[in-house]
Order: sequence, then C-alpha cells, then structure tokens
Amino acid sequence: GQQLNQSPQSMFIQEGEDVSMNCTSSSIFNTWLWYKQDPGEGPVLLIALYKAGELTSNGRLTAQFGITRKDSFLNISASIPSDVGIYFCAGRNSGGGADGLTFGKGTHLIIQP
Amino acid sequence: GEEVAQTPKHLVRGEGQKAKLYCAPIKGHSYVFWYQQVLKNEFKFLISFQNENVFDETGMPKERFSAKCLPNSPCSLEIQATKLEDSAVYFCASSRRTRNQPQHFGDGTRLSIL
Repeated sequence: GQQLNQSPQSMFIQEGEDVSMNCTSSSIFNTWLWYKQDPGEGPVLLIALYKAGELTSNGRLTAQFGITRKDSFLNISASIPSDVGIYFCAGRNSGGGADGLTFGKGTHLIIQP
Repeated sequence: GEEVAQTPKHLVRGEGQKAKLYCAPIKGHSYVFWYQQVLKNEFKFLISFQNENVFDETGMPKERFSAKCLPNSPCSLEIQATKLEDSAVYFCASSRRTRNQPQHFGDGTRLSIL
C-alpha cells in the first residue's frame, strides 16, 4: 500500500522558534491535509491542500502542496506553548469521494521552556 | 450536530467478547470513515461509507470486523471475538459529499481488550 514518510519524528524547540516538518511519498496524492492531535483527542484539521504548487496559510501556519504531488511541508512560525502536540500529514488519491486517508507517522513537537 | 460524536469514550472488554462502537457524523455530511490508531500513533484506514452504502472496505479485517451506517441511526463498528491486538483508539470521521472537502474527526473510542 501507499506510505507517507514524515519527518522529523520529533522536535525539541524553544518557544518563539520556527518549525518545519515535511512528508514525502513514492506515489502521487491529489489531496494533502495537515492535522494536529492533542492527547486524548481526535486529529484537528489545520490546513487542506488540493492543487499542486498550492501554498496556504492559517495564522502562523503555512503549508505547501509539492509540485510533483509527492510531498508537502508544514511550517509554524514563532512557536508558542499551545503548539505542543503531534502533527500528522495525510494524503488522499482523490479530491472528493469517500477514499480513505493515508497518514504519516506524525511529528511530535515539544517546546522547551 | 457540528461535531462528530463518538460513544463510548472508553470501552473495556475481555478477550473473546464483542465490542460495538458508535459514531454520529456531522449533520449534512454524507461520507463516514473509520480509522484505527494503535500505540505508535499509526492510523489505519478501515472502511468508508457514502450514506448507508459501503464505499471502500479494503482496510477491514473481514473475519471479525463489521460496520453499518443505517438511516436515522448512528453508524457503528462492531468487533466479534475480540483479540488483544484489537486494543486501539478507533476514530470516526465525516465529510461533505461535494468536491475538495476534508475529513473531520471525532475524539475516538479507546478500546481496551484484557
């Protein structure tokens, strides 16, 4: 089956630093999604990308859909304590329909005081 | 409702017992999805529905797992003869039918098999 390689696996940063994480795949996806998951909760959608080359921002978050359709990155600027959590990329073959998502293994973001 | 509602939040079963999980999708969403998240945070897609019809069940372990989405009822995921390896958090997600709609997740049901 399809796999997403998400890196880094974990990040230890200082408050105020910028963060960058990415996902790559050996196969093409037509939708890329970025989610954040806090302990005991479900993934919460951060950014959705539907077009190759698309660059989208949501507050301090910016994500891009790679031009080859095989990668995506998420940047967080000026990190704050509430950014702590696990970030997941997810890809889907179609832009619509009920296709299931393929998830990366997550990036665990830890902010050191 | 405005959120995907999953019940129960926690479910404990002895090995070999049956487990049944429920999901109410967001009102107006036609697609429903079930995922399994195991200890290493890995998500596995199980099954999806378009209204009450199964759309994709390629991820379902068919021997013991079954799922339904019936009109005017919460969707359900049932596991017969549970095994220790079924211990996981099961997430339900829903999305609108129109193009380019993301999946929105519930808070999951943590299933513990003893």
